[in-house]
Amino acid sequence: DTAVSQTPKYLVTQMGNDKSIKCEQNLGHDTMYWYKQDSKKFLKIMFSYNNKELIINETVPNRFSPKSPDKAHLNLHINSLELGDSAVYFCASSRGQGRTDTQYFGPGTRLTVL
Amino acid sequence: EDKVVQSPLSLVVHEGDTVTLNCSYEVTNFRSLLWYKQEKKAPTFLFMLTSSGIEKKSGRLSSILDKKELFSILNITATQTGDSAIYLCAVQGSSNTGKLIFGQGTTLQVKP
Repeated sequence: DTAVSQTPKYLVTQMGNDKSIKCEQNLGHDTMYWYKQDSKKFLKIMFSYNNKELIINETVPNRFSPKSPDKAHLNLHINSLELGDSAVYFCASSRGQGRTDTQYFGPGTRLTVL
Repeated sequence: EDKVVQSPLSLVVHEGDTVTLNCSYEVTNFRSLLWYKQEKKAPTFLFMLTSSGIEKKSGRLSSILDKKELFSILNITATQTGDSAIYLCAVQGSSNTGKLIFGQGTTLQVKP
């Protein structure tokens, strides 16, 4: 029984296309996150939602739009994909935003833009 | 700007060796430091450290935090090939949003 799941696992698409990645957690957590891991394995926060409310919005192109239909789901939509968007995107969740709230990560979605 | 730096960036050892991975940070109003292990897929949680000088231990892995000197170490004793992975250090600062700032990771390869 997967705690944080993402679909799809792999996504290969052409430049200029629009794509979505879905994330679901069954941990009953209130907070969810999107991270991007580049080719150098550097993980960087993109967005965070707490109970469907956006709380972190890092310097990310506005082609990226997160949507949280409920607190168990956080989807990421990307418009007009560019080569530089190729990366692994990880979803994570935590009980809250407190200092002792551990973040648990999904398996990642490897996006390749051709 | 908040920053987390890990060293070494990569390490190759043989089974049975002991390794020490380092993580130093500069963060406004430190709240917690976390270690993750990343094999092929998701980073998996190892430890969370919030207080100086208290060692966290799990099997052959242990970690300790020094809030005065702003660093943490992760020790792995009697390494096994299954310990081969990227080890990520992350720090939560004062933003109260749960935001984690990650280091660039240490890639550990354990040879038979």
